[in-house]
Amino acid sequence: NAGVTQTPKFQVLKTGQSMTLQCAQDMNHNSMYWYRQDPGMGLRLIYYSASEGTTDKGEVPNGYNVSRLNKREFSLRLESAAPSQTSVYFCASSVGTGLTYEQYFGPGTRLTVT
Amino acid sequence: GQQVMQIPQYQHVQEGEDFTTYCNSSTTLSNIQWYKQRPGGHPVFLIQLVKSGEVKKQKRLTFQFGEAKKNSSLHITATQTTDVGTYFCAGPGSGGSNYKLTFGKGTLLTVNP
Repeated sequence: NAGVTQTPKFQVLKTGQSMTLQCAQDMNHNSMYWYRQDPGMGLRLIYYSASEGTTDKGEVPNGYNVSRLNKREFSLRLESAAPSQTSVYFCASSVGTGLTYEQYFGPGTRLTVT
Repeated sequence: GQQVMQIPQYQHVQEGEDFTTYCNSSTTLSNIQWYKQRPGGHPVFLIQLVKSGEVKKQKRLTFQFGEAKKNSSLHITATQTTDVGTYFCAGPGSGGSNYKLTFGKGTLLTVNP
């Protein structure tokens, strides 16, 4: 099992460009998440999908959109990138039921917006 | 919304010294989780605590959940260079959601060999 995979690993964008970060999990998990991590800020939830067919905003959703393509895949889109979106982005998944919901993280995408 | 506050933000120790990080919440937590992130890596789940007063051990790591379920701690005995990284606590999201977590800002541990 690959666990949670993310593409790309690194990306440099110019202000105003768009891109989609891809995430896939092969653990048959119901719930998936997108976080951003900035120095001194910990992990902040952007969007999450409790189950296939549903998505909800997290703590910092502005400037992002998501698509839960199927049970395996959850993508994050930046429509018009801004320098403030320079960050490390992590995708995670979990079983999502009851209290057994430890999260499994992907390796991250390091995004720089110039 | 629910928040978990973590202290200290940084801790530098000599190899062999002990280390403790604390996590506090203003509200009662149904459970709390701990994660470790190595430099340049991704967070990795360590443990989950559910019961009031619960204590769990993983080799040199001891995890505690407070009696009131509002605080938790992670203690590492005799640190090693392999312990370097950021340790995060995380509790259920706002409204006690089981689908999302609220992470503390983490404690960065560095170990001088």
